[in-house]
Amino acid sequence: DAKTTQPTSMDCAEGRAANLPCNHSTISGNEYVYWYRQIHSQGPQYIIHGLKNNETNEMASLIITEDRKSSTLILPHATLRDTAVYYCIVRVGVINYGQNFVFGPGTRLSVLP
Amino acid sequence: DTEVTQTPKHLVMGMTNKKSLKCEQHMGHRAMYWYKQKAKKPPELMFVYSYEKLSINESVPSRFSPECPNSSLLNLHLHALQPEDSALYLCASRGPLRDTEAFFGQGTRLTVV
Repeated sequence: DAKTTQPTSMDCAEGRAANLPCNHSTISGNEYVYWYRQIHSQGPQYIIHGLKNNETNEMASLIITEDRKSSTLILPHATLRDTAVYYCIVRVGVINYGQNFVFGPGTRLSVLP
Repeated sequence: DTEVTQTPKHLVMGMTNKKSLKCEQHMGHRAMYWYKQKAKKPPELMFVYSYEKLSINESVPSRFSPECPNSSLLNLHLHALQPEDSALYLCASRGPLRDTEAFFGQGTRLTVV
């Protein structure tokens, strides 16, 4: 699976959009980009994923560049409860159960009042 | 039901004890995972089960022994652990389609004394 790089930490003001970047310059054509977050001492929570097109759900938007070498997770109106570590994961989309999810160091997002 | 349930939530054990962690899901997922997470670090993959068979073992010491007795249940048997094995142990499961996400439990906080 392709490696990812993310900023170690970011701050965001409450109510503003939080834009979290992820670089995955070695991504292959069949690899998906997944975003998870982990609030202190809880299990990771799925946020969103995509292959080529931009995606949006009730939690966030995912913008993937045309060359797919990087992506940005957007939390449109950050709240204090969005303070967490955000992980960008790139993995092969195959119908094979024996595939793993490998976490990188992630970005620690602090939403400030 | 999109839950992965882990029990117990907290466990304190001595270095000579034998204990087991349990993980259960009823989503029909046939891939199940064990991760270990130390403080301020990302989750680290330990084992992957695919159709109740061990498909990935990330060179985990034999004092950790996984078991998948049926498609809904995953156990992690612990024996002769060391204090450095104290960590949050996370279980996850994943569905069959090409791009499905993994669902994580809330973890078992293990302390070895």
